[in-house]
Amino acid sequence: EDQVTQSPEALRLQEGESSSLNCSYTVSGLRGLFWYRQDPGKGPEFLFTLYSAGEEKEKERLKATLTKKESFLHITAPKPEDSATYLCAVFMNTGFQKLVFGTGTRLLVSP
Amino acid sequence: SQTIHQWPATLVQPVGSPLSLECTVEGTSNPNLYWYRQAAGRGLQLLFYSVGIGQISSEVPQNLSASRPQDRQFILSSKKLLLSDSGFYLCAWSGGGSYTFGSGTRLTVV
Repeated sequence: EDQVTQSPEALRLQEGESSSLNCSYTVSGLRGLFWYRQDPGKGPEFLFTLYSAGEEKEKERLKATLTKKESFLHITAPKPEDSATYLCAVFMNTGFQKLVFGTGTRLLVSP
Repeated sequence: SQTIHQWPATLVQPVGSPLSLECTVEGTSNPNLYWYRQAAGRGLQLLFYSVGIGQISSEVPQNLSASRPQDRQFILSSKKLLLSDSGFYLCAWSGGGSYTFGSGTRLTVV
């Protein structure tokens, strides 16, 4: 069964304290992985798409990396406005018809 | 640029009442469209997807149905709501390598 696991479930950081969120997956025929940010009561906001092991993408304080079995979202010197739930989702060779989502990591950055 | 509109933002409905949630996409043609439900503490669950007008695939058996009357319009419906239908419903579209969500509808069945 295709499965995506995110850890930790929740993470509390001080402003400026860098850390990483993990997304590990067990799927057949992986084609790529999405990272999203979700604020309370809002829809997920697209951050990155990663397609192959070794690929990295950056946006402001965020950097996403991908290996054959997991992805990391690195947050460098976070600010309180980075507080949100971060979701990852994988899609297979069958296309976008089915994404498999993790349950997310709730990040709280304190000033 | 492409935009996705979803409404209403919040909805409170009594048990047994009908439901209609609407989603429209602008700035693209023939998108793949999706309805998801997000329950607290759980991942997003795909309910329906559509690759074209009138083409609907259901992922899970349930009290809900979906329709796609126009290329960029996707509707989620129910004839009689159950308490268990409460949740956060999200519409999404995919195309050109992106997968974009709407702002969501918080449905509370009372």
